[in-house]
Amino acid sequence: DAKTTQPTSMDCAEGRAANLPCNHSTISGNEYVYWYRQIHSQGPQYIIHGLKNNETNEMASLIITEDRKSSTLILPHATLRDTAVYYCIVMNTGFQKLVFGTGTRLLVSP
Amino acid sequence: AAGVIQSPRHLIKEKRETATLKCYPIPRHDTVYWYQQGPGQDPQFLISFYEKMQSDKGSIPDRFSAQQFSDYHSELNMSSLELGDSALYFCASSLAGQGFGYTFGSGTRLTVV
Repeated sequence: DAKTTQPTSMDCAEGRAANLPCNHSTISGNEYVYWYRQIHSQGPQYIIHGLKNNETNEMASLIITEDRKSSTLILPHATLRDTAVYYCIVMNTGFQKLVFGTGTRLLVSP
Repeated sequence: AAGVIQSPRHLIKEKRETATLKCYPIPRHDTVYWYQQGPGQDPQFLISFYEKMQSDKGSIPDRFSAQQFSDYHSELNMSSLELGDSALYFCASSLAGQGFGYTFGSGTRLTVV
């Protein structure tokens, strides 16, 4: 699986957009970009995933660059409850396990 | 909607004892994954099962074993417990090949004293 690189931590003011970057320069053509988050001591939670097109759901938007070497997860209006560790994971679909890297610790402040 | 159910939520055991953790996947999900998360660590993959057969294996100690039963629930058996086994243990389930996100349970917090 391709490796990912994320900032260790980020801060965001409540109500503002949180933009979390991820580099995955060795991604292969059939690998998807998945985002999960883990709120303190809870089970990781699926957020969104994409292959090459930008994706949006009720939680977030995912912007993938045209060369697919990086992506950005956007939380449009961050709330205090969005404080969590966010993991960017690259993998094929199907039978593969999720491999968690270090992730980005996002702190949303009032 | 039904989620992944793990039991127990909390477990305290003494060194050298045995523990059994249970995981009930989302109905119709055919794949179960087990993860271990130590204090301040990221979740580490232990083992997975697809259709009741072991499908992948990670850094699972030989003292641990797991299986998936005919009703698709899974159990993680841990013997000769050590202090270092104290961690959160998460189970996740998915429908293989569908490409959707995996759903995690709330975890079992194991404390070995």
